[in-house]
Amino acid sequence: KNQVEQSPQSLIILEGKNCTLQCNYTVSPFSNLRWYKQDTGRGPVSLTIMTFSENTKSNGRYTATLDADTKQSSLHITASQLSDSASYICVVSLNSNSGYALNFGKGTSLLVTP
Amino acid sequence: NAGVTQTPKFRVLKTGQSMTLLCAQDMNHEYMYWYRQDPGMGLRLIHYSVGEGTTAKGEVPDGYNVSRLKKQNFLLGLESAAPSQTSVYFCASMARLPYEQYFGPGTRLTVT
Repeated sequence: KNQVEQSPQSLIILEGKNCTLQCNYTVSPFSNLRWYKQDTGRGPVSLTIMTFSENTKSNGRYTATLDADTKQSSLHITASQLSDSASYICVVSLNSNSGYALNFGKGTSLLVTP
Repeated sequence: NAGVTQTPKFRVLKTGQSMTLLCAQDMNHEYMYWYRQDPGMGLRLIHYSVGEGTTAKGEVPDGYNVSRLKKQNFLLGLESAAPSQTSVYFCASMARLPYEQYFGPGTRLTVT
């Protein structure tokens, strides 16, 4: 069974600090990897999407990296803000003919405190 | 451009009752999905559709049915609700390229 594992499960950091979230996957054949941000009570919103040939992609203070050889990705948040408090979900896509199968991690819950 | 909308936002059902959740998207996307999200479980795919008139089962399809009669709408039906179907339901749509998935705001369903 294809799996996407995220760590840590939860994280608390002080406002202004940086943090890095991890995602390891066993999905094959791999097509692309996405990071989503989900605020409490809302639907997930895409932060980045990377194909297997991309090593890094940034979206403002969010930078995602991908190592397709080791099947690892990370999401780095710089100068955290209170509004960064949310769940961050790693999603890996199979290159499938049957509807572009997506494999979701369980998410990392981030709390940024003043 | 409203994106992906879901109706209703909240609903409480008694065991055995039926209901339909409506998802609508105005982005002309081919793919549409229904997920459920439970604490500690992450998002799990219930059913999906790759185009008007087509549907397919996902990871947890039992107890649910779907229909995609129009490209912009994707309906999720519960014929006989069970307490195990208490969850938050998310609809999503996606275009073929660049395969960016957009989620709706969710429907919180409680079955008593």
